[in-house]
Amino acid sequence: ENVLTQAPGTLSLSPGERATLSCRASQRVDRNYLAWYQHKPGQAPRLLISRTSNRATGIPDRFSASGSGIDFSLTINRLEPEDSAMYYCHQFGGSPQTFGQGTKVEIK
Amino acid sequence: QVQLQESGPGLVKPSGTLSLTCSVSGVSIRTHSWSWIRQPPGKGLEWIGSISYSGTTYNPSLTTRITISLDTSKNQFSLNLNSLTAADTALYYCARSTLTGVDYWGQGTRVTVSS
Repeated sequence: ENVLTQAPGTLSLSPGERATLSCRASQRVDRNYLAWYQHKPGQAPRLLISRTSNRATGIPDRFSASGSGIDFSLTINRLEPEDSAMYYCHQFGGSPQTFGQGTKVEIK
Repeated sequence: QVQLQESGPGLVKPSGTLSLTCSVSGVSIRTHSWSWIRQPPGKGLEWIGSISYSGTTYNPSLTTRITISLDTSKNQFSLNLNSLTAADTALYYCARSTLTGVDYWGQGTRVTVSS
């Protein structure tokens, strides 16, 4: 099983600042099949980034991501209050598919 | 517009079987892959399994207890999970899986395993 470890567990930042979230895999992620999701309480997760670095439809360009192999990152520029959420990485290149444990982004 | 909606019992007994259905609108389930994902209280997301017209893949940790099936006549897919324990208490999501990730999700249905 490809274990995804996200860091930090919690980020507490002010509006306008930049958030950098890390996702490290225990094994290489095949074909860059790595996605990022935003998850707010009471809502379904929302796909932010597909195939490591491609913004999903309707996602603002404040969100960007990069990585390869085992190290991946999500950056949120110019934080806004509505960015407060849990963020999960997800690898679907190998079976079983796995998710990271999440990073909570809090906006002060 | 693609929409998914889970349905099923909110409370099930230990050792019993959970049956959930996902109704899909806006796209035929004959296309793409369809998944079940769950989130236990206070924990992260766990992939349960996926199904497409070409077959199923299950999480090895659950494979002996689960069945996922398609009903193309109703444009639905289903999850059966047996031998339930309290550890199966979770918010269960149905979702569409693609080569870019999970792009459409249901709102989730809460399942509690308790006598």
